Amino acid sequence: NAGVMQNPRHLVRRRGQEARLRCSPMKGHSHVYWYRQLPEEGLKFMVYLQKENIIDESGMPKERFSAEFPKEGPSILRIQQVVRGDSAAYFCASSLMEISGNTIYFGEGSWLTVV
Amino acid sequence: KQEVTQIPAALSVPEGENLVLNCSFTDSAIYNLQWFRQDPGKGLTSLLLIQSSQREQTSGRLNASLDKSSGRSTLYIAASQPGDSATYLCAVYTGNQFYFGTGTSLTVIP
Repeated sequence: NAGVMQNPRHLVRRRGQEARLRCSPMKGHSHVYWYRQLPEEGLKFMVYLQKENIIDESGMPKERFSAEFPKEGPSILRIQQVVRGDSAAYFCASSLMEISGNTIYFGEGSWLTVV
Repeated sequence: KQEVTQIPAALSVPEGENLVLNCSFTDSAIYNLQWFRQDPGKGLTSLLLIQSSQREQTSGRLNASLDKSSGRSTLYIAASQPGDSATYLCAVYTGNQFYFGTGTSLTVIP
């Protein structure tokens, strides 16, 4: 059973371009979470999704960032018109169900560098 | 708002020592607490999950305790090895998200 798969692992974008980060949860998992880790900072929650639904996006910047988890296919975190401050590691995690009683599993992360 | 603090930020010990990492959180209304390990340039690996109703969990050389009322958790590592060198993160789950501490960077010297 493959773990949480994220791609690309490393992505370089020029200021103003778009970045698309993909996350395939573990098989059978329907809950996906995106976190951002800035240099020298802790992991910050961005968004929690279930299939076709955004459950909690309280950590998402109000502009330029969006996320989806369609019925088929991976979850996508999309960053439009990237700026240097978006450079960070973006981690996706999944769980089998609401994680009050379940372990959350993380992917290896996608490292975004904006030049 | 939940805040999670980890002390110390960095720790260096000789191989074979037992050590304790500390985690504190400000809001005791949590569902569970999880300890993770992160290696440089890698994702997070779950080490131990403690439900809010539990006091401790053990896995091999690792033992994690939880005192929800005082907002504290400890991760005890017995007989440390160089392969234990990594950053250790604790996180509390309060509903829709985990709140993470900034981690303790552990170096075990051979």
